[in-house]
Amino acid sequence: QVQLQESGPGLVKPSETLSLTCSVSGGSISGYSWTWIRQPPGKGLEWIGHISYSGSTNYNPSLKSRVTISIDTSKNQFSLKLNSVAAADTAVYYCATLGGYYYYYMEVWGKGTTVTVSS
Amino acid sequence: DIQMTQSPSSLSASVGDRVTITCRASQGINNYLAWFQQKPGKAPKSLIYAASSLQSGVAPKFSGSGFGTEFTLTISSLQPEDFATYYCQQYKSYPWTFGQGTKVEIK
Repeated sequence: QVQLQESGPGLVKPSETLSLTCSVSGGSISGYSWTWIRQPPGKGLEWIGHISYSGSTNYNPSLKSRVTISIDTSKNQFSLKLNSVAAADTAVYYCATLGGYYYYYMEVWGKGTTVTVSS
Repeated sequence: DIQMTQSPSSLSASVGDRVTITCRASQGINNYLAWFQQKPGKAPKSLIYAASSLQSGVAPKFSGSGFGTEFTLTISSLQPEDFATYYCQQYKSYPWTFGQGTKVEIK
């Protein structure tokens, strides 16, 4: 079964860009769809966005102007960039695989990586 | 955005109990609903998609039902490893949204 591992800086300064990578093992990233979700400390889950097998993206409007999700097939990984971060972006960030076609559902999740926004 | 409301927000149950969690959508979502289990400090685990289809490897003590705006997750016989927080999520329309979670605690 495919496994996912998030990586990136654990501390980001306010107004800077948060950059995370999700490395895929046990399968090819090509031909599948992928998503990012986050969870602020002590709170519920928030969907950030996804990238489909065709390369098309959908983002949460609450973050849309600041988010970019992309795929690097040569490295078998996909990435999240969130710019102009603030304290409210402090969260555990998860990547996940998507099943389905057109209507996508989350399948396998990574373990998550904690990002703190602080000066 | 479609609002997802779970009830109850928390419940206390004993090992062996049958537990049911309800999730209501603010508008119809057909059967585009998923359920997840999250234990403290761990990533969520996918349990069910399409309202009633079990994810691969998930124990059949978990079952889901519903269509439209009302859905349920049932655990047939609660075991110690099932004490966790459960979330529903709709994927009918963007943005995908989650319920606030239901915490299942030991009585």
